[in-house]
Amino acid sequence: DTGVSQDPRHKITKRGQNVTFRCDPISEHNRLYWYRQTLGQGPEFLTYFQNEAQLEKSRLLSDRFSAERPKGSFSTLEIQRTEQGDSAMYLCASSLGGDRGYEQYFGPGTRLTVT
Amino acid sequence: AQRVTQPEKLLSVFKGAPVELKCNYSYSGSPELFWYVQYSRQRLQLLLRHISRESIKGFTADLNKGETSFHLKKPFAQEEDSAMYYCALRRAGTALIFGKGTTLSVSS
Repeated sequence: DTGVSQDPRHKITKRGQNVTFRCDPISEHNRLYWYRQTLGQGPEFLTYFQNEAQLEKSRLLSDRFSAERPKGSFSTLEIQRTEQGDSAMYLCASSLGGDRGYEQYFGPGTRLTVT
Repeated sequence: AQRVTQPEKLLSVFKGAPVELKCNYSYSGSPELFWYVQYSRQRLQLLLRHISRESIKGFTADLNKGETSFHLKKPFAQEEDSAMYYCALRRAGTALIFGKGTTLSVSS
């Protein structure tokens, strides 16, 4: 296991198109997080799964955003009708649960550019 | 409001000089605080957390609840310490709230 992986690493899309990103967590981790990072900012929390259950969504996650983790393994983040303001780095992280879950392991990110 | 503030965008020091990266937080409960680091072309990774009270790569950080601070310190900076440093607060055992980050540049 080489850590958290994300695909694609880069995505350029035109405004109004839909995009989908994938995250594969570390295999034994039951928690999975999505963050968004724009230039000059730290990562901002979007949503969080424990196994297949989406337990929390940030108010940053508008109706155009949806995330799934169908079998409690990989996760997808879809953005519908993309806007230029969606341009950012999308980071995925995973962790163990409970007291051992304090450390989040981050993936390399998917950089989205909306033109 | 839950917030993490890192007042410095950039901190430039010479090799061997002491380093202090500032972090202040706002949180109503008992905070769980961390420092994450991102070296050039690498992933964001955990550097240390306040509960462990350990020194990692010569860095230490002490939680000061009175001043709501969690500053990161190292007595003698090395060139390999150059990176982006993020202070983060974990709320209720789930997601992290990050500061905007401080770029540390160590030159010889």
